[in-house]
Amino acid sequence: DVKVTQSSRYLVKRTGEKVFLECVQDMDHENMFWYRQDPGLGLRLIYFSYDVKMKEKGDIPEGYSVSREKKERFSLILESTSTNQTSMYLCASSYLGQGLNTEAFFGQGTRLTVV
Amino acid sequence: DQQVKQNSPSLSVQEGRISILNCDYTNSMFDYFLWYKKYPAEGPTFLISISSIKDKNEDGRFTVFLNKSAKHLSLHIVPSQPGDSAVYFCAGFDSGTYKYIFGTGTRLKVLA
Repeated sequence: DVKVTQSSRYLVKRTGEKVFLECVQDMDHENMFWYRQDPGLGLRLIYFSYDVKMKEKGDIPEGYSVSREKKERFSLILESTSTNQTSMYLCASSYLGQGLNTEAFFGQGTRLTVV
Repeated sequence: DQQVKQNSPSLSVQEGRISILNCDYTNSMFDYFLWYKKYPAEGPTFLISISSIKDKNEDGRFTVFLNKSAKHLSLHIVPSQPGDSAVYFCAGFDSGTYKYIFGTGTRLKVLA
């Protein structure tokens, strides 16, 4: 079974704090993704990476950065949190090839509240 | 520009009946379309996918239909069960960019 593990289920941070969200996958997947889920807005792509040290901006990268130093680990960094970053953050990974087995596997999510 | 749209935020269906969830897209570069199911406080789980060159894919109670000319896909669940109550997301995958683009989701409630 593919496992994508996010380091925290729930986090509460004060405005201006720095936050690291860690994600680890155990299936040797090339692709890794960070999304946020907000009511009425669905899942929006923040950043993704298709290889170690590679990163690409998604649809809403402002206020975020990422790090991928090892293939299995993809970190999302919020340099200075703001209340509009209160959200559910979801990490995912997928195989790089083509074919019907292109589904992304998600972690359990991190509910971040910024006060 | 929303590339994947789910215009119905919610749907209620009686247990045993058919649930039909709809999704429209604008990006012609999507190679695959996927449906995910999400329970509260959990990550989405993959349900079923369809290649852009197919018009139907079936897996047990779940069938996905793709109408490429209308840029429309739908997920049919027959028969619906109370455990199917969740938020359903459709997504398009572009193998050129490696990106999955998700819709806004439809909350399905199956009434016992």
